[in-house]
This record gives sequence, C-alpha cells and structure tokens, in this order.
Amino acid sequence: GQQVMQIPQYQHVQEGEDFTTYCNSSTTLSNIQWYKQRPGGHPVFLIQLVKSGEVKKQKRLTFQFGEAKKNSSLHITATQTTDVGTYFCAGNGGSSNTGKLIFGQGTTLQVKP
Amino acid sequence: DAGVTQSPTHLIKTRGQQVTLRCSPKSGHDTVSWYQQALGQGPQFIFQYYEEEERQRGNFPDRFSGHQFPNYSSELNVNALLLGDSALYLCASSLIQTKQYFGPGTRLTVT
Repeated sequence: GQQVMQIPQYQHVQEGEDFTTYCNSSTTLSNIQWYKQRPGGHPVFLIQLVKSGEVKKQKRLTFQFGEAKKNSSLHITATQTTDVGTYFCAGNGGSSNTGKLIFGQGTTLQVKP
Repeated sequence: DAGVTQSPTHLIKTRGQQVTLRCSPKSGHDTVSWYQQALGQGPQFIFQYYEEEERQRGNFPDRFSGHQFPNYSSELNVNALLLGDSALYLCASSLIQTKQYFGPGTRLTVT
C-alpha cells in the first residue's frame, strides 16, 4: 500500500538556526498537507500543496511540493522556541482527492534557547 | 464557532471490553474521519464517514466500527479491546475533499 516516509525523525537546533524536514511518498499524490502537533496536543493544519513544483511561504516557513508530486519539504528559517513540536506531512493518494490522509512518522523539532 | 469536539478526553478500559468514542464536527462540516495515533507515531487512518455511510477504510480489523448521525456527529466503536489498541484517537472533520480539522483526541488506555 501507499507509504509516506519522513526524515529526519528528530532534530535538535539552536535557536536561530534553520530546520528542514523531508517527506517522500511511494506513489504520486494528488496533494500533500502539513500539520504541526505540539506535545500533548493534536495535529493543526498548516498548509496544503496541490500543484507540481508548488512553493508556498508562511512567514518563516517555506513549503515545497516536488515536480513529480511524490516528495515535499518544510523549511523553517531562524527557528524560535515557539517552533517546537512534531511536524507531519500527510499525503492524499492517487489521482483524486479522496480525503484519506496517509501520514508520515513526523519530525520532532527541539529548539534550544 | 466551536471547533471539533471529542469525548471523553481520557478513558481506561480492560482487555476484552468494548469502547465508544464520540466526535462532533466543526459547524458546517459534513465529513468525519477517524485516526489512531500510537505514541511517537503519525496518525493512521481508520475510516471516513460521509452522508452517514462509511466511504473509505484503512487497514483496521472489523473490531473497529463507526457510525455517523444525521447531524454529522460520529461514533467510533472498538470491540474486544487489545493492549495494542492503547492510543490517541483523533477525529477530523471537513467538507468532503477539503482540508481536515482535528479535534483534541481521546486518550484510550487498555490494561
């Protein structure tokens, strides 16, 4: 079945350093979504990417969707302690937007002040 | 405008018992999806309900069943609980085929 892999599993950075997490799907995706989950919390929607090669920015966060629509990345510039949490990518498989999200294992970000 | 709500917040059950979890979707949403999140893992899709029918299902046994009511709220039932069913159960609501909003989850512990 479809799998979504995410690396790295953990990342410790000093406040002010940059951070990147990568997401790879075993199959082509109709779209990809990114979520952030704080410790003890629930996933909170960040963004959805739909088009091949799409790049979207939210303040210090930059999201990319690969040309083949099988990979994606999230880059955070100049991390802050408020960025702490686990970042998940979630793929919507196949040629249609089915609403069945396949999540990666997540990347847990720790930021040292 | 209330977001997605789930009840109960926490639950402790014994192996072999049955459990029912509840979800009320965000106002205006008609689709409810259920996910299981084991500790340290990403959420795993259980099933999705739309128009009171199960539209899609993940790789979960028949012990997991659900229901959607005319007001779009939903229940997740798990029979014959196993220790491995201990997890955070998340409900997500949406309009069909749009982004999903997650509720706070129900933490189920099976002893």
